[in-house]
Amino acid sequence: AQTVTQSQPEMSVQEAETVTLSCTYDTSESDYYLFWYKQPPSRQMILVIRQEAYKQQNATENRFSVNFQKAAKSFSLKISDSQLGDAAMYFCASSGAGSYQLTFGKGTKLSVIP
Amino acid sequence: NAGVMQNPRHLVRRRGQEARLRCSPMKGHSHVYWYRQLPEEGLKFMVYLQKENIIDESGMPKERFSAEFPKEGPSILRIQQVVRGDSAAYFCASSPYSRSYEQYFGPGTRLTVT
Repeated sequence: AQTVTQSQPEMSVQEAETVTLSCTYDTSESDYYLFWYKQPPSRQMILVIRQEAYKQQNATENRFSVNFQKAAKSFSLKISDSQLGDAAMYFCASSGAGSYQLTFGKGTKLSVIP
Repeated sequence: NAGVMQNPRHLVRRRGQEARLRCSPMKGHSHVYWYRQLPEEGLKFMVYLQKENIIDESGMPKERFSAEFPKEGPSILRIQQVVRGDSAAYFCASSPYSRSYEQYFGPGTRLTVT
């Protein structure tokens, strides 16, 4: 079984600044994936970044990077040089490596202040 | 390559009516997953289908809900005798293989029960 916890219901950041969204997870799987999805007001779910648990190196996609702390079961998302278009709900998710089910957290609403 | 398509985007039903939600997977994808997002919540897995087969419906309510993915045509999520608690956003995802790593989401259908 998998559980995902996002302890920050809302966050805000000044445009061009950096913000970190927190996520902790629990899993009985030895190999698993972790994801961050963005859901803008259009509600389309967009994959931002994913991490394979067996890879020690933190994933990076342009301005988005993760801090994956396997022992602490922590998977935070860092957004650098925040832009107005980054305003959205952000969901952390996990799944077993051989699984098809994604387990989502409740989300963090990010506001970007001009 | 067109993405996952869902229609309608918005659906309003009175209590007791039937709701039919459609999902056309990406070209070349034969695996479809349905998730439900209740207000203020993350997405929750409902059902996983391959062409003409239900593989896992463990997340689907036992009554009133059914899903199919026929040999030809879109996948259908059907909710009979809708109640207010069915109001939610319903997302479909598809993948080329049975795995979470490459699930692509559609824009969702927002169901409102009056």
